Amino acid sequence: EDQVTQSPEALRLQEGESSSLNCSYTVSGLRGLFWYRQDPGKGPEFLFTLYSAGEEKEKERLKATLTKKESFLHITAPKPEDSATYLCAVQEFYGGSQGNLIFGKGTKLSVKP
Amino acid sequence: DAGITQSPRHKVTETGTPVTLRCHQTENHRYMYWYRQDPGHGLRLIHYSYGVKDTDKGEVSDGYSVSRSKTEDFLLTLESATSSQTSVYFCAISESSVEYFGPGTRLTVT
Repeated sequence: EDQVTQSPEALRLQEGESSSLNCSYTVSGLRGLFWYRQDPGKGPEFLFTLYSAGEEKEKERLKATLTKKESFLHITAPKPEDSATYLCAVQEFYGGSQGNLIFGKGTKLSVKP
Repeated sequence: DAGITQSPRHKVTETGTPVTLRCHQTENHRYMYWYRQDPGHGLRLIHYSYGVKDTDKGEVSDGYSVSRSKTEDFLLTLESATSSQTSVYFCAISESSVEYFGPGTRLTVT
């Protein structure tokens, strides 16, 4: 069973059409949840870290939120340049210290002009 | 830019040959990681290092070894490459509890 599940796998939006990406997780003790953006042929680029339920972070048209079981990445009025694959990763407490990142499979976002 | 470079960026090799991938960082970060990325899978951790000569296994370490003789370099070796090791390999460093990734190496094993 996957510990981190992202949905949908792919999302097509028209420019300006707001939507949300979901990341659900099943780790027992969450230390942090991370969102990354990945463009084709490049390494993941860090966007946000969230640590506790109720926390929100914003950057331009993106806003990430966190509950006890899932995180949402809200995209407001997207532009074609927001097209990318968005990755979610969780880090759990492990033996009193931080564990390694566990990644979801990503959501591929396409924004058409 | 976390000052991470990977070399080579692309490599094609034959089954059974040894392959070494290099990750180089310029900012003295203690933690370094090697991941592989394949269609249908998330990024999966192969090995990581928490200091010079200090390394540990990740989720998918079989068939891989690593070495870190200097802070700035973390090497990933495939002792005898197999077709299942065809993948894109990413190196990462940790800074303030956030992992930052390099540009990747695309490895094809024929």
